[in-house]
Amino acid sequence: GENVEQHPSTLSVQEGDSAVIKCTYSDSASNYFPWYKQELGKRPQLIIDIRSNVGEKKDQRIAVTLNKTAKHFSLHITETQPEDSAVYFCAASILLRVSGGGADGLTFGKGTHLIIQP
Amino acid sequence: DGGITQSPKYLFRKEGQNVTLSCEQNLNHDAMYWYRQDPGQGLRLIYYSQIVNDFQKGDIAEGYSVSREKKESFPLTVTSAQKNPTAFYLCASSRRAGRDNEQFFGPGTRLTVL
Repeated sequence: GENVEQHPSTLSVQEGDSAVIKCTYSDSASNYFPWYKQELGKRPQLIIDIRSNVGEKKDQRIAVTLNKTAKHFSLHITETQPEDSAVYFCAASILLRVSGGGADGLTFGKGTHLIIQP
Repeated sequence: DGGITQSPKYLFRKEGQNVTLSCEQNLNHDAMYWYRQDPGQGLRLIYYSQIVNDFQKGDIAEGYSVSREKKESFPLTVTSAQKNPTAFYLCASSRRAGRDNEQFFGPGTRLTVL
């Protein structure tokens, strides 16, 4: 089955600096890679996702890059703010079609606790 | 945060008892999922269902059972065969077709075995 490794487990950055979280996956058939943010005591919420038919996707201060050959993908947060403090999870899954369609369950990394220092 | 609900929020169980966690969604999603979250760990997939009356085992299905008799509901039973059931349980749902594959999570049920 799929195995997702996530690093680092804890990341502390100064407010306004950038943060990068990296993940690797093992199953070359995986084609869908979402990132979730989980605040303390709350449910995970999707912040960005990418499919294997693109290499990069950006949404305001958040971007994700994917390297299919190396089987790794990364989350980049620029101009960090206090409200970015949370645990971030990467995940991988297989969509029936990369353009969309039913998916098996997600395989998650173990999470990164992002701390934004004022 | 509406659309997918879980109950109860907290659940206490004695060893040897089966308990059932409820998950309901009104998003008209075909697919539903159950995950378990332990401290310092990511979410691990227990079971998932793509359509009514069909479900598949995830990575850690042993000691759990599910049913999918209605599109809106996907209850999870934690049986006495589950050796370490104390955890945070999250239910999720998603569309089965189309480009939007986001999984929406419920608020979770925290199960404690006494």
